Amino acid sequence: GESVGLHLPTLSVQEGDNSIINCAYSNSASDYFIWYKQESGKGPQFIIDIRSNMDKRQGQRVTVLLNKTVKHLSLQIAATQPGDSAVYFCAENLNYGQNFVFGPGTRLSVLP
Amino acid sequence: DAGITQSPRHKVTETGTPVTLRCHQTENHRYMYWYRQDPGHGLRLIHYSYGVKDTDKGEVSDGYSVSRSKTEDFLLTLESATSSQTSVYFCAIRGSQGERTEAFFGQGTRLTVV
Repeated sequence: GESVGLHLPTLSVQEGDNSIINCAYSNSASDYFIWYKQESGKGPQFIIDIRSNMDKRQGQRVTVLLNKTVKHLSLQIAATQPGDSAVYFCAENLNYGQNFVFGPGTRLSVLP
Repeated sequence: DAGITQSPRHKVTETGTPVTLRCHQTENHRYMYWYRQDPGHGLRLIHYSYGVKDTDKGEVSDGYSVSRSKTEDFLLTLESATSSQTSVYFCAIRGSQGERTEAFFGQGTRLTVV
């Protein structure tokens, strides 16, 4: 909702540029990762996922990179559009465990 | 949306009153979750369910209880609401291993305790 992200890091990009959003995850044993997008007043929406046996996965305009050595995920958005403005969260999961652990999120602001 | 409905969407209640939030799914998914979202804390798990009548606590379960008497419904109850429970609450669902593995979220319930 509107109160989400008051204290979040913000990434501002020009419309049409590429965006890179980073996430450090906590558990070196985590084997499944998801990126979510959350627009104001809405629930998180699935964007793309990746398993630990991969280091890159591509979707439509989005790419997720996984670096297990440094426990780092990134989300790349190509040709960023105004509709991409939102808060982006990464989530990690272990061995199809019950719970996802969510990162704090990054606010993406697309400038005209 | 992936067949998840939360009700109510907004609620204002007084301190000390009981409150129940409802999550309803039409996907027949096994796992259901309740999260709360607060500035500076992100999404935190309150309780989750791995089947009918099977529930377990998350990291912020104090002051909350849950029930799941049917696959499609997962209820979150605040027995005696406090101002610290003012938050946005999200329900999520997830299929069993071997099916779609991502969690799908509802639209959220904004709860204000005055």
